[in-house]
Amino acid sequence: AQSVSQHNHHVILSEAASLELGCNYSYGGTVNLFWYVQYPGQHLQLLLKYFSGDPLVKGIKGFEAEFIKSKFSFNLRKPSVQWSDTAEYFCAVIPYGNNRLAFGKGNQVVVIP
Amino acid sequence: DAEITQSPRHKITETGRQVTLACHQTWNHNNMFWYRQDLGHGLRLIHYSYGVHDTNKGEVSDGYSVSRSNTEDLPLTLESAASSQTSVYFCASSDETSGRGHEQFFGPGTRLTVL
Repeated sequence: AQSVSQHNHHVILSEAASLELGCNYSYGGTVNLFWYVQYPGQHLQLLLKYFSGDPLVKGIKGFEAEFIKSKFSFNLRKPSVQWSDTAEYFCAVIPYGNNRLAFGKGNQVVVIP
Repeated sequence: DAEITQSPRHKITETGRQVTLACHQTWNHNNMFWYRQDLGHGLRLIHYSYGVHDTNKGEVSDGYSVSRSNTEDLPLTLESAASSQTSVYFCASSDETSGRGHEQFFGPGTRLTVL
């Protein structure tokens, strides 16, 4: 079945450490890609998105993601995390011609001060 | 500012009761979606609508129904609530003609507990 995979569901790291979250999808063809963030007790907010063009996408709060088509990946990175980055992060994919998001299971990230 | 709201924010009900969760958006988006969020499963699509009078089943639609009588609202009904439907429910909307592509905007969520 077509799917979105996120590994290392629980990530614990210290402030100033670098963060990388992996996202792989199994859809062929053109896709739109998203990373959403959910802070504790809040709703999902868009962190960044890729539709076309430069495969390195910069989002809010110092996050960036790189689309590597040959690897079907859209990994999220932040060079130096802060305590306020504690949240759950979801990768999502929309195959071309489809309006429905397919979500990964999420990464729970805890940043220790 | 345009927004998407859900009500109630918290609901406790008993097994077998009918429950309706409201979702209202002022984005004037054509597409609306209902998801449930459960630990270890991420977000799973329940039902979705591409416009007035259009409804479609998602991957976990059993036990749920929706209706779309206008652009702004997509209420989600649990016909006979079951304990397995205890979850957090999120409504979302999008419109690919809005200039923001397929970006979905999410409501604040409804936490439903079925006893």
